[in-house]
Amino acid sequence: ELKVEQNPLFLSMQEGKNYTIYCNYSTTSDRLYWYRQDPGKSLESLFVLLSNGAVKQEGRLMASLDTKARLSTLHITAAVHDLSATYFCAAGHPSNDYKLSFGAGTTVTVRA
Amino acid sequence: DAGITQSPRYKITETGRQVTLMCHQTWSHSYMFWYRQDLGHGLRLIYYSAAADITDKGEVPDGYVVSRSKTENFPLTLESATRSQTSVYFCASSEPALAGGTDTQYFGPGTRLTVL
Repeated sequence: ELKVEQNPLFLSMQEGKNYTIYCNYSTTSDRLYWYRQDPGKSLESLFVLLSNGAVKQEGRLMASLDTKARLSTLHITAAVHDLSATYFCAAGHPSNDYKLSFGAGTTVTVRA
Repeated sequence: DAGITQSPRYKITETGRQVTLMCHQTWSHSYMFWYRQDLGHGLRLIYYSAAADITDKGEVPDGYVVSRSKTENFPLTLESATRSQTSVYFCASSEPALAGGTDTQYFGPGTRLTVL
């Protein structure tokens, strides 16, 4: 069974500083997803990482994947208030029929 | 608008009643999924479907029934609702990269269900 762990679960950020969210998964996976969820809203896809060493960046967010370490990171550069949300990572593998296992989510609050 | 929609968006029902949550997508994605989201548990897969007339259980299928007679629709039925099924339900769809898609699961807006 593929288990996904995120840490930290809660992250209080100061505007302008850099932070990292970690996502570990338990068994082989060749695809890793990051989603954002605002309170009371649905999940929005941020990144899809499909190979070892993959790095993707969008604005202040950068995600990377190390399949050997079974680790993905979501790095936030110079945090701003608009980044306050819950971030989920999810791992999957085609042999598991494209199902995904989600982490518990990291709730991010950015303060001035 | 194209995309993935869910109805109703909010539903209050009573224990023992049957409830059906609807999910409709306009992308002709092969795969569709039902999740429930509860505090402390993240998202948990209830059922999924790889194509019309093909469905399979996820992590927490007990008490739920699904069908998929058409590619675009994937209804979820709670046969006899219980209080433990109070949750937010999300439907998602995806198309495998092997079939020309992106593998990304796209989520509907969710249905907030309360069972009294």
